Amino acid sequence: DTEVTQTPKHLVMGMTNKKSLKCEQHMGHRAMYWYKQKAKKPPELMFVYSYEKLSINESVPSRFSPECPNSSLLNLHLHALQPEDSALYLCASSQDGRGWSEQFFGPGTRLTVL
Amino acid sequence: RKEVEQDPGPFNVPEGATVAFNCTYSNSASQSFFWYRQDCRKEPKLLMSVYSSGNEDGRFTAQLNRASQYISLLIRDSKLSDSATYLCVFLTDKLIFGTGTRLQVFP
Repeated sequence: DTEVTQTPKHLVMGMTNKKSLKCEQHMGHRAMYWYKQKAKKPPELMFVYSYEKLSINESVPSRFSPECPNSSLLNLHLHALQPEDSALYLCASSQDGRGWSEQFFGPGTRLTVL
Repeated sequence: RKEVEQDPGPFNVPEGATVAFNCTYSNSASQSFFWYRQDCRKEPKLLMSVYSSGNEDGRFTAQLNRASQYISLLIRDSKLSDSATYLCVFLTDKLIFGTGTRLQVFP
């Protein structure tokens, strides 16, 4: 199993809603990542979890809240988002917990904030 | 100087053509190098890692020049299915993505 899965595929939410994005991998990878990607731009790193602990937060606004319940799961909780937060949210994982190996991406959640 | 510089293209080539992309990086501490492919509205997918000795995978050849701080990707005998955006990626303490080069292969 070499897959990273993400749910939901698409999400439309209002600015007052609370929603969560979910990511799962069963490759035994020890690092997991959240990225945000706008159209025609490369992915931008948001958060890194290494051995289930938050190791990097790229100055992401607090309306995005990551959570790593266990080594296979990664969530991103969303609250009071803005329309400019509409983007493709990608989860990735890598074998090396320190991040020194290639990353494998999930299919992403396409988020629209109204 | 930008961390990564990559020609955005587009590169429009006929089927069967050979096409090459370069990507320069500024951080000499970069540890690992990769090429990812991204189709429209899909996730990036690892195409190949790039090693100092160069590596080949079928029609794809990747090379690393540490002295000049660039990596390259050569695609031979282009197929229609090669049409995508190719992202060069460097690893320091995190992945640094190039802006991507758009390749369009036409019949």
